[in-house]
Amino acid sequence: DIQMTQSPSSVSASLGDTVTITCRASEGIGTWLAWYQQKPGKAPTLLIYAASTLQSGVPSRFSGSGSGTDFTLTISSLQPEDFATYFCQQGNSLPRTFGQGTKVDIK
Amino acid sequence: QVRLQESGPGLVKPSETLSLTCAVSGGSISSNHWWAWVRQSPSEGLEWIGEIYHDGETNYNASLKSRVIISVDRSRNQFSLKLRSVTAADTAVYFCAREQEVWFAPWGQGTLVTV
Repeated sequence: DIQMTQSPSSVSASLGDTVTITCRASEGIGTWLAWYQQKPGKAPTLLIYAASTLQSGVPSRFSGSGSGTDFTLTISSLQPEDFATYFCQQGNSLPRTFGQGTKVDIK
Repeated sequence: QVRLQESGPGLVKPSETLSLTCAVSGGSISSNHWWAWVRQSPSEGLEWIGEIYHDGETNYNASLKSRVIISVDRSRNQFSLKLRSVTAADTAVYFCAREQEVWFAPWGQGTLVTV
């Protein structure tokens, strides 16, 4: 199975800050990577797929980059609704696997 | 838009079978998508359980394959999960989701199953 490792596990930030989250795959996955946002008690929602493609309806302050084994999610100008937990997921092979999550909370 | 809703018992006894159903509305389960089950627990995080296509073809996580059956009911526009011989380690929030290529969107709201 492909292991997905996110860092940091948590980050504290202020409104308007830029936050960067990284995800590393245990082997190359091309650009078969997605990012999800999850708020407490809710299901994850797809933010970015194919490493850098924004899902319909997702604000442009979210962006993704990377290929191979190293990927980043950047949230620019942090808004109140962005405080949540973020997960990466690889779609290169079965079983689909997820990172352990990065919690973004208010400083 | 497509919506998914999980249903089933919230409490299952050890060694028994966990059974959940995912009702799909706003779209056909016979569309060109795979349909998946994912679970989430504090200890294991998000774990992909398996997927099914409307023709019944399935793929399972090898870690659970010996205990899992995913099935589809096209007439009711729903798909189901059965996980047998459960233990406390199977306690989790279970989500169903549609696969958008190899990504998951949308998800059901999730249902907590306690063993």
